Amino acid sequence: QLQLQESGPGLVKPSETLSLTCTVSGGSISSSSYYWGWIRQPPGKGLEWIGSIYYSGSTYYNPSLKSRVTISVDTSKNQFSLKLSSVTAADTAVYYCARLPHYVGAFDIWGQGTMVTVSS
Amino acid sequence: EIVLTQSPGTLSLSPGERATLSCRASQSVSSSYLAWYQQKPGQAPRLLIYGASSRATGIPDRFSGSGSGTDFTLTISRLEPEDFAVYYCQQYGSSPTFGGGTKVEIK
Repeated sequence: QLQLQESGPGLVKPSETLSLTCTVSGGSISSSSYYWGWIRQPPGKGLEWIGSIYYSGSTYYNPSLKSRVTISVDTSKNQFSLKLSSVTAADTAVYYCARLPHYVGAFDIWGQGTMVTVSS
Repeated sequence: EIVLTQSPGTLSLSPGERATLSCRASQSVSSSYLAWYQQKPGQAPRLLIYGASSRATGIPDRFSGSGSGTDFTLTISRLEPEDFAVYYCQQYGSSPTFGGGTKVEIK
């Protein structure tokens, strides 16, 4: 069955760039039926959508984060990635990657999440 | 941006009782794109309902969703012990947003 796994540093310094990768296994990231997204959750708080990407490379981002976010896809590795620049303590959160079938309009499969702390 | 407001913030109920959770949108949401998730501590959210009323794969029929326009409801007909968790609604427009969550706790 399809699985998603986030990976990347758990600690990032303020003003630096947070970089995470989501590896998709058990299925192809190149399916035309799905978008792939990043969502985050600060400790004890709710969920915030960061952005999504299609296998072709088309992206759309949360307007509140757009100036700092880049999401890319590597179909040869069955991965997609997140870069968030100029991070502050407010970016400390659990970061999830997830699949979004465009015909469903909801995130149906999620990774387990990875905690990223922004601290010097 | 469409803001989703969930109420109540916390719902204290006993197993076997009915839970009714509300999600109100700041502007009309296409029913095709309103979803509900369940999240337990230390776990990723799990999709329960999409398209306002369609259950996701493997979701028990005690979970049901309804509503349209700006008002949506998630109902759990009879709470099981494993249903005590936080529930989020989400809309999928040009910019997806989530509600703030409702915690269903054991009374």
